[in-house]
This record gives sequence, structure tokens and C-alpha cells, in this order.
Amino acid sequence: SQQGEEDPQALSIQEGENATMNCSYKTSINNLQWYRQNSGRGLVHLILIRSNEREKHSGRLRVTLDTSKKSSSLLITASRAADTASYFCATDSNQAGTALIFGKGTTLSVSS
Amino acid sequence: DTEVTQTPKHLVMGMTNKKSLKCEQHMGHRAMYWYKQKAKKPPELMFVYSYEKLSINESVPSRFSPECPNSSLLNLHLHALQPEDSALYLCASSQGATVFYGYTFGSGTRLTVV
Repeated sequence: SQQGEEDPQALSIQEGENATMNCSYKTSINNLQWYRQNSGRGLVHLILIRSNEREKHSGRLRVTLDTSKKSSSLLITASRAADTASYFCATDSNQAGTALIFGKGTTLSVSS
Repeated sequence: DTEVTQTPKHLVMGMTNKKSLKCEQHMGHRAMYWYKQKAKKPPELMFVYSYEKLSINESVPSRFSPECPNSSLLNLHLHALQPEDSALYLCASSQGATVFYGYTFGSGTRLTVV
């Protein structure tokens, strides 16, 4: 079962622009994570935000979390062609021993 | 070593074959996972091993059989698969068995069942 739902499903931007992806989820969570997947390859962990945090930064990435709205956003600033990939949010279900469940993902295309 | 290594990278097998996928990590992670990913879909959880014991089986058909021989190695034994089982099989590991850690993924095994 899927916990998170990203939107938009696809996003096309020019290099240098910012990209914003949103994730909504259904049940209480311990944390929310974002991953990147280049075409046909493994996923790369980008950032983890705990349920008691509201915002987190890592380089050009900014993640926000609103537990009252059960939503998160990932902002990539000054995008580059190398940022072209699929981005997934992943959550648990606030139960001990559970594993990450991934949302449907957003496909980002950055053109130069 | 900060990698999860999966072998083989590609596998083509017939519906009557028996094959195994292998996953290895040397980061001291105590939780390991198998995910299945179809094209243009998110990864779907199959199995979770915590401290070498199977802790989650997401109602996966018995034609998929996981094995964790030691803390660094995870296998997925395949038998009598169907064409619809063709997918990218991803292995991941994390420091602990809870969701408070990020996962390290391997690059996957692309499986084609003919």
C-alpha cells in the first residue's frame, strides 16, 4: 500500500529555475524521507525530516513538513541538468518495526 | 565501504528456472530489505530482515524466497516465476530496523521472465 502521493507527477523546467515537489500522506508518521532515482537505477537518499521538525536544508535542497496537513514539499533551487530524475517521498506508518513505503513519485526534467 | 552491491545486474530466466539474486553490504547495517519496482511505478516493499531474522513479509508469493545467511548478505531465491514478475528488484540496508535511518540502495537487478 502507498502512504505518500506526490504532485505534480511530472515537472519540466529550465536550468537555473527552482523545482518544487509536494507529497501528501494519510496516517501519522515518525519521519518523512525524500529519495532520487536516476533512470533505471537505485534510489539515493536525499534528506530525512522528523515529525517534530518543520524545515530542513541540505545544499540546494529544502524540505518542509506540515504534520497538521499531512504534507511535505521538496524544493530544489538553481536546478541543473543533472537533477533530472524521479523523486519519491517515503514514510512509515508510525508503528514500530515498519519499513518505508514510497509514494508515486515526481519525474523532473531539467533542460539546458 | 558505503555501498550495497547487487548481483547480477541483469537476469533473464524462463518460467521453470530457479535463480537467485544476491545483495551484499559491509556497512554494519542490521536491517536489509527487498523492494520490487515496475516501470514508472514506485518501489514496493517485499521483505524486511532485522538482525538476520525475517520481520516483514508483505504477502509475497512463495515463488519468491528470501534468505539472510549473515548480517552482510541477503539473497532472494526465485522459482517458477511468471512474466508479470519481470521488474527491477532493489535491495537496501539501514543502520537499524526502524524507520529513523535513511536507506542505502543497491543499483538493482533487472529481471526478465520469459
